[in-house]
Amino acid sequence: GAVVSQHPSWVICKSGTSVKIECRSLDFQATTMFWYRQFPKQSLMLMATSNEGSKATYEQGVEKDKFLINHASLTLSTLTVTSAHPEDSSFYICSAIPPGPGYGYTFGSGTRLTVV
Amino acid sequence: QKEVEQDPGPLSVPEGAIVSLNCTYSNSAFQYFMWYRQYSRKGPELLMYTYSSGNKEDGRFTAQVDKSSKYISLFIRDSQPSDSATYLCAMRKTSGNTPLVFGKGTRLSVIA
Repeated sequence: GAVVSQHPSWVICKSGTSVKIECRSLDFQATTMFWYRQFPKQSLMLMATSNEGSKATYEQGVEKDKFLINHASLTLSTLTVTSAHPEDSSFYICSAIPPGPGYGYTFGSGTRLTVV
Repeated sequence: QKEVEQDPGPLSVPEGAIVSLNCTYSNSAFQYFMWYRQYSRKGPELLMYTYSSGNKEDGRFTAQVDKSSKYISLFIRDSQPSDSATYLCAMRKTSGNTPLVFGKGTRLSVIA
């Protein structure tokens, strides 16, 4: 149980286009999801906290107009990278909190974005 | 000073060795501690979680938390080549929907 599915696993897009990444909790409802970004050989950097039915909370330095987050249902959060540039190329990972006892969050398999 | 410090390695050990991975932290408000394993180009996979100080064992893995020293450890016994991955420590302050704070991750290679 407690599976988070992230799609696509990798995507290549041209500069100036937008890319949408989906994060789904498959067997539980997630009122809160988190979006992280990871550069090669670096740790996960929190970008934003996504709350179902309300606006996302962005970390300092993260452009909310570039990284649009929508958490329209209890099982789906999306991250849209708008007007992508090569510097947006990175590994993006979502995470959700399964219900019940335990303190570990479940992560998606990640999306590798390459902007050319 | 970063909230969570973790030596990035790389750490290389022979198969069968005992591996010790560590993190230190500066904020005494952290109460929940986790270890994740991440293979290349994959999302992190939860290995162990502990609350407050103490030890927890699961198979070949043992997690230790010493809140007085702000120090957590993960031990891997009888290490296998399949254990080769990046190990991330993570922690958070409350039981609510708060994000995890991660260490940098330690790259481990177990050589057959």
